[in-house]
Amino acid sequence: GAGVSQSPSNKVTEKGKDVELRCDPISGHTALYWYRQRLGQGLEFLIYFQGNSAPDKSGLPSDRFSAERTGESVSTLTIQRTQQEDSAVYLCASSSHRTVNTEAFFGQGTRLTVV
Amino acid sequence: KNQVEQSPQSLIILEGKNCTLQCNYTVSPFSNLRWYKQDTGRGPVSLTIMTFSENTKSNGRYTATLDADTKQSSLHITASQLSDSASYICVVSDSNQAGTALIFGKGTTLSVSS
Repeated sequence: GAGVSQSPSNKVTEKGKDVELRCDPISGHTALYWYRQRLGQGLEFLIYFQGNSAPDKSGLPSDRFSAERTGESVSTLTIQRTQQEDSAVYLCASSSHRTVNTEAFFGQGTRLTVV
Repeated sequence: KNQVEQSPQSLIILEGKNCTLQCNYTVSPFSNLRWYKQDTGRGPVSLTIMTFSENTKSNGRYTATLDADTKQSSLHITASQLSDSASYICVVSDSNQAGTALIFGKGTTLSVSS
């Protein structure tokens, strides 16, 4: 596609339910990042993929959070047993490769609200 | 620890005025520094990128500076417009292949009023 696409754009879920957030990166981009942005806050790094592997998942806040990437393309961020503190905008970004001057392109984000 | 600190946290200016946003970083080894603009409800979009050897770079009314010795960068906005109202995020890349590529500041929220 022309840009990074995320779905759904908005998700309201009940506390305790599981949710899956999807990211379609720009075709050919090998690096993919997930970030969380709470209301009025900066971006919080969650996980980074290079191809289908995740060399850095240090930002995942708990074992309720997991992510995978397949075909060096689509990535899914799964949050199990959602809590109200998980409410945030989840942003995905992709870049062509991890070298100097590589720009990360962001999707519009998924706004998750846990009620 | 790699960190990016931005100031001020928020700023309100009148349309037509200039402003300067600051970014201090402790990222090492340094690769490059980008300023992103994030409009409300949208993902960040890159404005400028600066590498170690660059001191100044302009993109229209936006001018970024970098002092690699003091590890400081600034983003100057000239003749502000209402559409400049957004969050401006400083992002520093390290060149450590095993680590996180992008380190984000928390952003400066700019409000331009008429």
